[in-house]
Amino acid sequence: AQSVSQHNHHVILSEAASLELGCNYSYGGTVNLFWYVQYPGQHLQLLLKYFSGDPLVKGIKGFEAEFIKSKFSFNLRKPSVQWSDTAEYFCAVRRQAAGNKLTFGGGTRVLVKP
Amino acid sequence: KAGVTQTPRYLIKTRGQQVTLSCSPISGHRSVSWYQQTPGQGLQFLFEYFSETQRNKGNFPGRFSGRQFSNSRSEMNVSTLELGDSALYLCASREGTATSTDTQYFGPGTRLTVL
Repeated sequence: AQSVSQHNHHVILSEAASLELGCNYSYGGTVNLFWYVQYPGQHLQLLLKYFSGDPLVKGIKGFEAEFIKSKFSFNLRKPSVQWSDTAEYFCAVRRQAAGNKLTFGGGTRVLVKP
Repeated sequence: KAGVTQTPRYLIKTRGQQVTLSCSPISGHRSVSWYQQTPGQGLQFLFEYFSETQRNKGNFPGRFSGRQFSNSRSEMNVSTLELGDSALYLCASREGTATSTDTQYFGPGTRLTVL
């Protein structure tokens, strides 16, 4: 079955710490990869996306992600987090053969302590 | 451009009733997708509409249905509501011009509570 796994359900860290959130998917073929963020009380917003080309993609607010095809992974990173990065982060995969359906990971709640 | 809008933002219904949720996509976007978000199951795809036709459907019972109008606005309907239908229902729109570069943009959601 198709699945998207996010390894950590909850992450707590202090401001200025580095953040890395893992995302793995379980099927082959051509995929498009996304990270969305949901700040408290707000709607899902796109952080970054990968379609093709350079596997290291940069998004908004200093986030970046690396696509490693051999590992079926698309991990999200930020070198130095801020309190305002407190949110829930979702990895999503679109398998091109399956149309435009997004399959989401379970989400990771990140709490940044000031 | 205005973002994806959804109405109503909150709904309270009782078991057995039916409900209709509405979504207006970003201007110029022709595709609308619906997702259900619950604490237990996370974000799950319901269906996608493009040019008034259902293009893709998730693994939900037939009580969940939708439609899209000629102006790209979409509605989803849930009949015979069950307690487990309590969720945040999200609508997402995309331009629909090319799958390989298209991105879905999400609305704020409709919070449905079934009592």
